Amino acid sequence: DAKTTQPPSMDCAEGRAANLPCNHSTISGNEYVYWYRQIHSQGPQYIIHGLKNNETNEMASLIITEDRKSSTLILPHATLRDTAVYYCIVVVGANNLFFGTGTRLTVIP
Amino acid sequence: DAGVIQSPRHEVTEMGQEVTLRCKPISGHDYLFWYRQTMMRGLELLIYFNNNVPIDDSGMPEDRFSAKMPNASFSTLKIQPSEPRDSAVYFCASSLTSFPAANEKLFFGSGTQLSVL
Repeated sequence: DAKTTQPPSMDCAEGRAANLPCNHSTISGNEYVYWYRQIHSQGPQYIIHGLKNNETNEMASLIITEDRKSSTLILPHATLRDTAVYYCIVVVGANNLFFGTGTRLTVIP
Repeated sequence: DAGVIQSPRHEVTEMGQEVTLRCKPISGHDYLFWYRQTMMRGLELLIYFNNNVPIDDSGMPEDRFSAKMPNASFSTLKIQPSEPRDSAVYFCASSLTSFPAANEKLFFGSGTQLSVL
């Protein structure tokens, strides 16, 4: 089962793009990559997910490399409210998401 | 929809006491999950239900922990007797269908902050 590796922390200036990397080198062909975030004192919130192709929604974009061993979450215009812990997740067994330690993103005014 | 609703938001109790955490999933969701979050271990899956039936409880740490889902709109996680090491944030989550094949996503509640003194 694939696990993920993320940098423990990152800073981003307000209004700039935040690019959060994730390595999942052991991911298998049918495993989706999910991104969630957790704002302080709240439950994790779904952001986006993908399998092979790049994805975009109203919150973010997800870029997955062709070999699927890594991905990048892009917040195009970071705001102070985007300060949170961001988790890159793959499914580990049936109905079990491995959250890991995530990346603590701090958006700086 | 109001989302996943958990109660209480905070619980402070003394060692040895029984603790009951409650969860109301999103209406129509067939899957309900209980997670525990600590600084040391992060987010861990404790148990999940499908159509009110417990499917996998391998994450439940000890016999002191039990979970029930008497109907589609209510679940409880009980700790009896509680111990200081049970102090954590407990999250309930629900989903419409299962992972991973269904391309699904989880919706989390706001959690219960449990402190056992």
